[in-house]
Amino acid sequence: DGGITQSPKYLFRKEGQNVTLSCEQNLNHDAMYWYRQDPGQGLRLIYYSQIVNDFQKGDIAEGYSVSREKKESFPLTVTSAQKNPTAFYLCASRGTGVLALHFGNGTRLTVT
Amino acid sequence: GIQVEQSPPDLILQEGANSTLRCNFSDSVNNLQWFHQNPWGQLINLFYIPSGTKQNGRLSATTVATERYSLLYISSSQTTDSGVYFCAVEGYGGSQGNLIFGKGTKLSVKP
Repeated sequence: DGGITQSPKYLFRKEGQNVTLSCEQNLNHDAMYWYRQDPGQGLRLIYYSQIVNDFQKGDIAEGYSVSREKKESFPLTVTSAQKNPTAFYLCASRGTGVLALHFGNGTRLTVT
Repeated sequence: GIQVEQSPPDLILQEGANSTLRCNFSDSVNNLQWFHQNPWGQLINLFYIPSGTKQNGRLSATTVATERYSLLYISSSQTTDSGVYFCAVEGYGGSQGNLIFGKGTKLSVKP
């Protein structure tokens, strides 16, 4: 089945450590996105990529970094510079000429 | 930027009841989606509906683009309908893929 796979489902880290969240899709979608969700809130865009080797900052990119070396993969690194990293992180993708976004199941990151 | 307001923020129903959720947005949009987030956090795409009406089983949605609102109808609600319903929009000429999300309507369906 085609879909978006995020791993791990839960992630725990100590403050000051960088951590990388995985997002893989086998939908042959060109565009991929990272969103952050805080409790009781909607989602906010962190980074997006419309093509391999290119990506753009979203509304809340500070303290995060991404790479897009392969079409299928769009990993997100939460750096130690991110002041409030504890959140639910969702990856999404969509095909060329299609506006509907499809989401993975998310990674819940807790930093203590 | 575009503002998205959803109402009501919370809704409690008995199983079998019908409900209407509303989404108001402040500018023209070329993308409007309704999502259901289940208690495990999974975000399910219900409708892509920048205009018009669509139906999928017990759920239907209507967007009146000229008046800048969308409605999600849930009929004969079931306990599995519980969760948070989000409306998200994308304006013309904005950052590609920058869906602006409302704060959601939290629905609880009681048996």
